[in-house]
Amino acid sequence: KAGVTQTPRYLIKTRGQQVTLSCSPISGHRSVSWYQQTPGQGLQFLFEYFSETQRNKGNFPGRFSGRQFSNSRSEMNVSTLELGDSALYLCASSLRQGGPGELFFGEGSRLTVL
Amino acid sequence: QKEVEQNSGPLSVPEGAIASLNCTYSDRGSQSFFWYRQYSGKSPELIMSIYSNGDKEDGRFTAQLNKASQYVSLLIRDSQPSDSATYLCAVSTNYGGATNKLIFGTGTLLAVQP
Repeated sequence: KAGVTQTPRYLIKTRGQQVTLSCSPISGHRSVSWYQQTPGQGLQFLFEYFSETQRNKGNFPGRFSGRQFSNSRSEMNVSTLELGDSALYLCASSLRQGGPGELFFGEGSRLTVL
Repeated sequence: QKEVEQNSGPLSVPEGAIASLNCTYSDRGSQSFFWYRQYSGKSPELIMSIYSNGDKEDGRFTAQLNKASQYVSLLIRDSQPSDSATYLCAVSTNYGGATNKLIFGTGTLLAVQP
């Protein structure tokens, strides 16, 4: 059974640009969550989607957005990139909404902003 | 006060010893608790989940939960060099079953010395 697939794995952008990251969940999983991981802050929750609807959102500025498609695949977008957005962006899928909260992570997209 | 706290380590143990990893959380309403293992440069991997007070054993791993003390621990018996990784404690409040959001600690780095 294939795991969570994230693309691209690595990317380099410059300040002010925007970026779109993609996530394909485990087959049959309908809930997708996104996390940002940095050395200083650890894993921070960005948002989660279920049935194409955003169910929860973390404390990130509006430059961070996402969406989910009918096949459960998800994308997140960061506009007007800042140096501080450099991080590992992790997508996680779960079988259903509302717990028990077992998340399965993809390998992540490592974003470097210059 | 951070919502989920872990000692950052490194925790160094000799091969074959028991490694004890600890985690405290601030939200008394928390209902689900998870331990993830993250190797350097890799994504987090779920190794244990626990939902009720007491111990839960899975192979060499034992998770312990004490909701009254707001404390979760992970014991690794017969530690192996391959266990060397960062161990992340994660907590879910999951009020009303509305979200899969997890709050992560910053992780404890475990180093098992051959």
